[in-house]
Amino acid sequence: DAGITQSPRHKVTETGTPVTLRCHQTENHRYMYWYRQDPGHGLRLIHYSYGVKDTDKGEVSDGYSVSRSKTEDFLLTLESATSSQTSVYFCAISNDRGQNYGYTFGSGTRLTVV
Amino acid sequence: AQKITQTQPGMFVQEKEAVTLDCTYDTSDPSYGLFWYKQPSSGEMIFLIYQGSYDQQNATEGRYSLNFQKARKSANLVISASQLGDSAMYFCAMRELTQGGSEKLVFGKGTKLTVNP
Repeated sequence: DAGITQSPRHKVTETGTPVTLRCHQTENHRYMYWYRQDPGHGLRLIHYSYGVKDTDKGEVSDGYSVSRSKTEDFLLTLESATSSQTSVYFCAISNDRGQNYGYTFGSGTRLTVV
Repeated sequence: AQKITQTQPGMFVQEKEAVTLDCTYDTSDPSYGLFWYKQPSSGEMIFLIYQGSYDQQNATEGRYSLNFQKARKSANLVISASQLGDSAMYFCAMRELTQGGSEKLVFGKGTKLTVNP
């Protein structure tokens, strides 16, 4: 059991359509994160959550919204997809501050906006 | 301003040799954590090693060690006895507190390591 799963793994969508990516965890971790990875930029934080219904913006949040209605699920929505949102999206989870075992990442979702 | 700086876009090393990947960071938080992740061509993010700001000793995990120089704000990853399977992207990251008291992980842009036979 991976502990964290992302769906879908791959998606192609058209410009202007809404898209929702799902992150599901079975670890009961408090924190959940959405990152995007683009060549030359590393991983950049889009949004994160520190509890049910508690979310905040990261450094590249424009054009994205999130929801967390239960501990195990964190949804990322592209309200109206644009070509600049073509990227690989990673979800990550972590437990409380002070733990040194790192953050666990999902396998990623490759999104192409055409 | 960039909080995590990895100045080496690409590095090459011969198999069985050691290699150092550089990372410098910037934070005003006295309590922080530094991480290194490996991303092979298959795409998954693999946690390698962690160093807490209050840790007195440099972290080690098998062939990985972290050269932590707090005053210089550097946290370089040392890989000893490189193997072909070490070829990958390597990311340095820092855990920092948010204004609301939660935490987040900030990444550098990465270093692509190639191990030559």
